[in-house]
Amino acid sequence: EDQVTQSPEALRLQEGESSSLNCSYTVSGLRGLFWYRQDPGKGPEFLFTLYSAGEEKEKERLKATLTKKESFLHITAPKPEDSATYLCAVQAGTGNQFYFGTGTSLTVIP
Amino acid sequence: EPEVTQTPSHQVTQMGQEVILRCVPISNHLYFYWYRQILGQKVEFLVSFYNNEISEKSEIFDDQFSVERPDGSNFTLKIRSTKLEDSAMYFCASSGLGETQYFGPGTRLLVL
Repeated sequence: EDQVTQSPEALRLQEGESSSLNCSYTVSGLRGLFWYRQDPGKGPEFLFTLYSAGEEKEKERLKATLTKKESFLHITAPKPEDSATYLCAVQAGTGNQFYFGTGTSLTVIP
Repeated sequence: EPEVTQTPSHQVTQMGQEVILRCVPISNHLYFYWYRQILGQKVEFLVSFYNNEISEKSEIFDDQFSVERPDGSNFTLKIRSTKLEDSAMYFCASSGLGETQYFGPGTRLLVL
């Protein structure tokens, strides 16, 4: 069965303390891996799309990377406003549906 | 910036009642989706819709659910006879020719 696993489940960082979130996947025929940010009670907000191993994308303090088995979301010098749940989703095979992980809840302490 | 909108933001209903959740996808998008998220759980795929028909559906999307694009802008999810376990956040999403799906803010459905 296709599976997407995110770790850690929760992460507390001091402001300025860089870290990485992990998304590992076991799917056949990966077509894309997507990172979203979700604030409490809101919809997922698109961050990045990665299509092939070795690809990297950056936006402000965030950088996403992709290998054949996993993706990392690196957060450099985070600020309190980066506090949110970060979701990873994959699209695989011939269908368009996304398979989501359970997310990593990030808290950045001032 | 174009965005997906959803109404209502909150819906409370009695078990057995019908509900219709509404979405306005991004205007030039071709693919439309419904997902749900039960409190504390992962986002789950329900259905995708393209060219006026369902293109994929999950096991969750049983005969109690239906989708429709009644006009050129709206996309609806109907639950015919709600159950307690239908309580969740329901997200609409849309995508263009690319793969990226853009999500709406969600409708929080509570079935009593």
